[in-house]
Amino acid sequence: QITLKESGPTLMKPTQTLTLTCAFSGFSLTTSGEGVGWIRQPPGKALEWLAVAYWNGDRRYNPSLRSRLTITKDTSINQVVLTLTNMDPVDTATYYCAHRRVYFDIVGLFDHWGEGSLVTVSS
Amino acid sequence: DVVLTQTPFSLSVTPGQPASISCKSSQSVLHSDGKTHLSWYLQKPGQSPKLLIYEVSSRFSGVPDRFSGSGSGTDFTLKITRVEAEDVGVYYCMQDAYSPLTFGGGTKVDIK
Repeated sequence: QITLKESGPTLMKPTQTLTLTCAFSGFSLTTSGEGVGWIRQPPGKALEWLAVAYWNGDRRYNPSLRSRLTITKDTSINQVVLTLTNMDPVDTATYYCAHRRVYFDIVGLFDHWGEGSLVTVSS
Repeated sequence: DVVLTQTPFSLSVTPGQPASISCKSSQSVLHSDGKTHLSWYLQKPGQSPKLLIYEVSSRFSGVPDRFSGSGSGTDFTLKITRVEAEDVGVYYCMQDAYSPLTFGGGTKVDIK
C-alpha cells in the first residue's frame, strides 16, 4: 500500500525559502521505475506540476519555476524534499507530493497522492 | 507547453443520469511509444486528486466501471454512465507525455 504525507511550514513571509518534506511508504526510490513528484494548487485554482525525482537520481522541473526549485531524495529514510526560493504571495497553495510510476524520460503516471500541505505566503 | 482545455466549466447532474466532460489538447499527446498519455483525476471536496483513468481509457485499480475514457490525438472525453452522489467534485485531465506536465482547468460536477 503506497502512502505519502507532506509536511512543512504553513505560513511564510515573502522572500523566504520554502522547504517541504514528503515522507512515503509502500515503495522504494531505489527501485527502477519509481519516482516522487510535487504538484501545487492555489486556492480555488487548477493544478500545476512542479518537479519529479527519479529512482536513478534524475530530476525534472517545470521550466517556468526551474530557477527557484530544487528536489532531492533521501532513500535511506524514504523522503523527498522540495525547496522553493524567494516565496511570494502568488506561491500560496496546497502542495501535494505524489508517487510517479515512471515509464521512461518524463513519461509516467501520478497514481497515488498525499493529502497536501497548505502554505500561505503573507507579509 | 501542451495546453489542455476542459469543457464545460461546471456541470449539474441528476443522480442516475449520464455526464460527459471534454478535454482538448493544443497538440497531440500521442507519444513515440505509441501510447497516448492522457489521464483523468477526480478531486472530491477537501481531498487530494485521485486517479481515475490513464492512457485515455484504462481504469485505475478500484475505479467503478461507470467511469470511462475515450478519444485520440487532441480530443478526449470522460463519461460517467450513471452519476452517483459520491461523484461530486472537480475533474481534471492531465497529459503525462511532455514536459512540462500539464493539467486542464477542471470541471466541477455537482448533483441537482
